[in-house]
Amino acid sequence: LAKTTQPISMDSYEGQEVNITCSHNNIATNDYITWYQQFPSQGPRFIIQGYKTKVTNEVASLFIPADRKSSTLSLPRVSLSDTAVYYCLVGPRMDSSYKLIFGSGTRLLVRP
Amino acid sequence: GAGVSQSPRYKVAKRGQDVALRCDPISGHVSLFWYQQALGQGPEFLTYFQNEAQLDKSGLPSDRFFAERPEGSVSTLKIQRTQQEDSAVYLCASSSTAGAREQYFGPGTRLTVT
Repeated sequence: LAKTTQPISMDSYEGQEVNITCSHNNIATNDYITWYQQFPSQGPRFIIQGYKTKVTNEVASLFIPADRKSSTLSLPRVSLSDTAVYYCLVGPRMDSSYKLIFGSGTRLLVRP
Repeated sequence: GAGVSQSPRYKVAKRGQDVALRCDPISGHVSLFWYQQALGQGPEFLTYFQNEAQLDKSGLPSDRFFAERPEGSVSTLKIQRTQQEDSAVYLCASSSTAGAREQYFGPGTRLTVT
C-alpha cells in the first residue's frame, strides 16, 4: 500500500485559498487518490477523488501532476467552517481489500 | 435522506464490563465497515461486512472484539471485558458497492473505559 505524507497542521484566514499537498512516492498504477474531511465529533466525509490531472467539484479541486507522486487539495475561499482534519488516502478504486487506510491527516485551522 | 446512525453516542464502561455498539447503515448499502479512532489519530480499520458475511476481520485487536450483521443491515460491535486501551471512538461506515472508496461514516460512539 502506498504511504502518504502530508503536513501535520496548517493555518489560514477566512477568504483565502488553502492548498494541502500530499506526497505518495510509491503510488501504484491502479491507485486512486481520495480525500476525506473530518469535523470534530463527526465521522470522516468523502470530499473528492481523482486519478490524474485535475478534478473539481462543488467543495474542492484536486490537482495531480503527471508523475502522480503527489497531489494537492485546493479549498477556495475558506470559511471558519472549513476548520477540520483533512486526510489523503491512496489505493485502488475498487478493490477486494475494501478498507480505507488513514494517516494522521492535516489539521486545518481557519482564523477570522 | 438518512445517513449512517450509531448508538449510543457516548458510552462509559467500567473495566471488565461488556459493551455493545450499534450501527444503522444507509438503507440498501451492502458494505459495512467498523473503524477505531484514537485521540489525535486517523481511523483504523477493524472489520468489514458484505451483506451479512464478514469478509475481513483482520483489524480486530483481540478476541474480545466481535462484530455481527445477521440480516445484512444493522450491525453490532461487541467488546467483552473492556480494558482501558479500548477507549476510543468507534466509527461505522457503509457504501453502496463492494470495494468503493467513497464510504459514508456515522458520527461514532465515544467509548471511555474507567
